[in-house]
Amino acid sequence: DGGITQSPKYLFRKEGQNVTLSCEQNLNHDAMYWYRQDPGQGLRLIYYSQIVNDFQKGDIAEGYSVSREKKESFPLTVTSAQKNPTAFYLCASSILGENQPQHFGDGTRLSIL
Amino acid sequence: AQKITQTQPGMFVQEKEAVTLDCTYDTSDQSYGLFWYKQPSSGEMIFLIYQGSYDEQNATEGRYSLNFQKARKSANLVISASQLGDSAMYFCAMRAVNSNSGYALNFGKGTSLLVTP
Repeated sequence: DGGITQSPKYLFRKEGQNVTLSCEQNLNHDAMYWYRQDPGQGLRLIYYSQIVNDFQKGDIAEGYSVSREKKESFPLTVTSAQKNPTAFYLCASSILGENQPQHFGDGTRLSIL
Repeated sequence: AQKITQTQPGMFVQEKEAVTLDCTYDTSDQSYGLFWYKQPSSGEMIFLIYQGSYDEQNATEGRYSLNFQKARKSANLVISASQLGDSAMYFCAMRAVNSNSGYALNFGKGTSLLVTP
């Protein structure tokens, strides 16, 4: 089945620790995105990538980093510089085009220990 | 800058009735797209329906239809014949062609819909 796989489903971070959230897609989509969702808020864009080896900051990129070494993969690292990382993280992918919907993974819930 | 406003934090509807979820947007772009997503309690985001700014007809997908009023900058989602499984958060989102965020979406804060028996 084609789709987007995020792992792990739940993740706990200790103070001062970097953690990496995995996102893999087999839809052959060029574009991939990371969003953060807090309670009572909509989704906010962290990073996006439209091509391998290139990515751009979104609205709330501080304290996060990404890489795009393969078309299928777009991992997100939450660094120790992100002081309030507790949130629900959603990865998405899409075909490039203004009328193309984004397809989402099931999300990763990150909490602080 | 684009802004999406969903003014209804929560809505109730009885099973088999129709319900309208409101969405207004603000943009200076002439070309843009509007999307609606459903998020059940399990967390995944499910694409429901799309409306392009130049589409003359309102979009429809099964029980979902979009009441698009361009002059009022509104794109309300209409769910007909509500089912218990429609209980979820619903998000309106927008993409502008000339956005400096590539093809990323700008989301509203969502509306929680509860369908009662």
